Amino acid sequence: AQRVTQPEKLLSVFKGAPVELKCNYSYSGSPELFWYVQYSRQRLQLLLRHISRESIKGFTADLNKGETSFHLKKPFAQEEDSAMYYCALGGSNYKLTFGKGTLLTVNP
Amino acid sequence: EAGVAQSPRYKIIEKRQSVAFWCNPISGHATLYWYQQILGQGPKLLIQFQNNGVVDDSQLPKDRFSAERLKGVDSTLKIQPAKLEDSAVYLCASSFGGSRDEQYFGPGTRLTVT
Repeated sequence: AQRVTQPEKLLSVFKGAPVELKCNYSYSGSPELFWYVQYSRQRLQLLLRHISRESIKGFTADLNKGETSFHLKKPFAQEEDSAMYYCALGGSNYKLTFGKGTLLTVNP
Repeated sequence: EAGVAQSPRYKIIEKRQSVAFWCNPISGHATLYWYQQILGQGPKLLIQFQNNGVVDDSQLPKDRFSAERLKGVDSTLKIQPAKLEDSAVYLCASSFGGSRDEQYFGPGTRLTVT
């Protein structure tokens, strides 16, 4: 079975502060991990994936197989980062399993 | 390029009624997905099509839900009869290849069952 856990439903930080959104997964095979984001009144969209190892909008995420984690980090949060963030796992049959999401609010 | 289109955007029905949702994926995308997103939860895959064949429907409640993808392009998802617990946002997504490719989501259909 594949499972994704995002322990924080809500996360509130001030502008300029570092932010870390936690994601832990459970999967016996070789996982493919993603972060999807949904800004207010917009569609769900891909933010980044571990295989590309890119930094998107200042966000990075490193796959830690030992800790089965894929935390999303940004050193200096901006107000426009306020959104709902979903961690997703691509596992067996390449089915995508989403976490419950974390609502990030960046205060001015 | 045009995005994934869905209709209707909102639907309110009474329990035991039937409802259908329509999705038009991005042109050229072989894989189409239907997700159910209940309030406070992440999207849950209901069914995945590769062209017009079903790849995964393990989480589709087949006693009441059905889906088809005609000619490997548009798709419809039907619920008959609806239950109160079917109230959710139904998301359609598409990707060029399989589910390890980036998925592009539609705006969703918000269903309320009263």
